[in-house]
Amino acid sequence: AQSVSQHNHHVILSEAASLELGCNYSYGGTVNLFWYVQYPGQHLQLLLKYFSGDPLVKGIKGFEAEFIKSKFSFNLRKPSVQWSDTAEYFCAVKGIAGGTSYGKLTFGQGTILTVHP
Amino acid sequence: DTGVSQNPRHKITKRGQNVTFRCDPISEHNRLYWYRQTLGQGPEFLTYFQNEAQLEKSRLLSDRFSAERPKGSFSTLEIQRTEQGDSAMYLCASSVDWSPRGDEQFFGPGTRLTVL
Repeated sequence: AQSVSQHNHHVILSEAASLELGCNYSYGGTVNLFWYVQYPGQHLQLLLKYFSGDPLVKGIKGFEAEFIKSKFSFNLRKPSVQWSDTAEYFCAVKGIAGGTSYGKLTFGQGTILTVHP
Repeated sequence: DTGVSQNPRHKITKRGQNVTFRCDPISEHNRLYWYRQTLGQGPEFLTYFQNEAQLEKSRLLSDRFSAERPKGSFSTLEIQRTEQGDSAMYLCASSVDWSPRGDEQFFGPGTRLTVL
């Protein structure tokens, strides 16, 4: 079974501070990894994804994430946050077996990011 | 708008009543997913369709829950004899998988269910 753990429930930063949100997953095989963001009053949107290849992936709005297979981690980073980054961030994993996708995403519990101007 | 749409956006019902939600995926997407999200938690997988075939169901999906996708386009999720514990946001997502590995799910705005 897949599981995802996000380290922080609520992170509070000032503008221009650096951000790192932790995500660890549990799955015995190959995975696809995702970070989704939910801005206040809006629906879930994909921030970035890792399928294969370069473990450092870049997403929208200056976000990036690094897949470290040995640590089962996929931490999200941004060098300098803005007030508009205030949102809830979800890490998600999809297990791959036999070369096909099993469809379902398993999400972490989410991290609320509040950025003060 | 070519995104995933869900109706209704909000539903308030009394315990014991039946409710039905509708999801219209992005038009060329052959995969459709239902998730449930409660306060302070991430979305939890409920069920998954590829075209009209329901290929996976979570143990969360009790006998009171049923989902259909009769023509491989829109989908409905019905909850019979609602309970207060069913109160949640019900999310629909769709994707298209042109390769054997990996696809990206696009989420709709959700239907918020409140059971009184």
